Amino acid sequence: EVQLVESGGGLVQPGGSLRLSCAASGFTFRSYWMFWVRQTPGKGLEWVAGIQYDGSARYYVDSVKGRFTVSRDNAENSLYLQMNSLRAEDTAVYYCVTHDRSRSVDYWGQGTLVTVSS
Amino acid sequence: DVLMTQSPLSLPVTLGQPASISCRSSQSLVHSDGNTYLHWFRQRPGQSPRRLIYKVSNRDSGVPDRFSGSGSGTDFTLKISRVEAEDVGIYYCMQSTHWPFTFGGGTKVEIK
Repeated sequence: EVQLVESGGGLVQPGGSLRLSCAASGFTFRSYWMFWVRQTPGKGLEWVAGIQYDGSARYYVDSVKGRFTVSRDNAENSLYLQMNSLRAEDTAVYYCVTHDRSRSVDYWGQGTLVTVSS
Repeated sequence: DVLMTQSPLSLPVTLGQPASISCRSSQSLVHSDGNTYLHWFRQRPGQSPRRLIYKVSNRDSGVPDRFSGSGSGTDFTLKISRVEAEDVGIYYCMQSTHWPFTFGGGTKVEIK
């Protein structure tokens, strides 16, 4: 059974940092691009960051460039999102996602809530 | 960024009747490799999104054949041939041709 389990969310003050983790199981993690997607009632669903199979390529949405860093550990089947200089507008549920655009492979975790507030 | 526009915003449907959702992109979704990476998702209340259709018209594993996708270029459609109670939720189109990938704003499907 495929599982993506996020952790690390919580309440943080503006300007603070958080590190999200995602533990993957049930599929060949090292074979897939991995992504972080966030969801808010106001802005809907937004693709935040993506990382290639071996970590050699990374992509970020403009609003998080320079503040967020995506990484992975294929030996541990884990995905990470280091979030620095957090802002109120980063408040969202963050999902760990495996998205293969050409095959029937698309997995989502249950999400972890990040709240940025003083 | 590619803007994805869905219509309608809300779609009340009678059980057993068909339903159709439209999605339009602000630029062509044809990739340089010749593929069109337009997908459809459904999100039920309290759940994570689940992909139903990938690359315009391919059903994901386990998706009933009453769901079908069509379209090309910038105009796409998701159809449900006969709506069942379990189909309620918010439906999103999404493109992964251009980074950043983007979702439409969603169409809420509910039973009349």
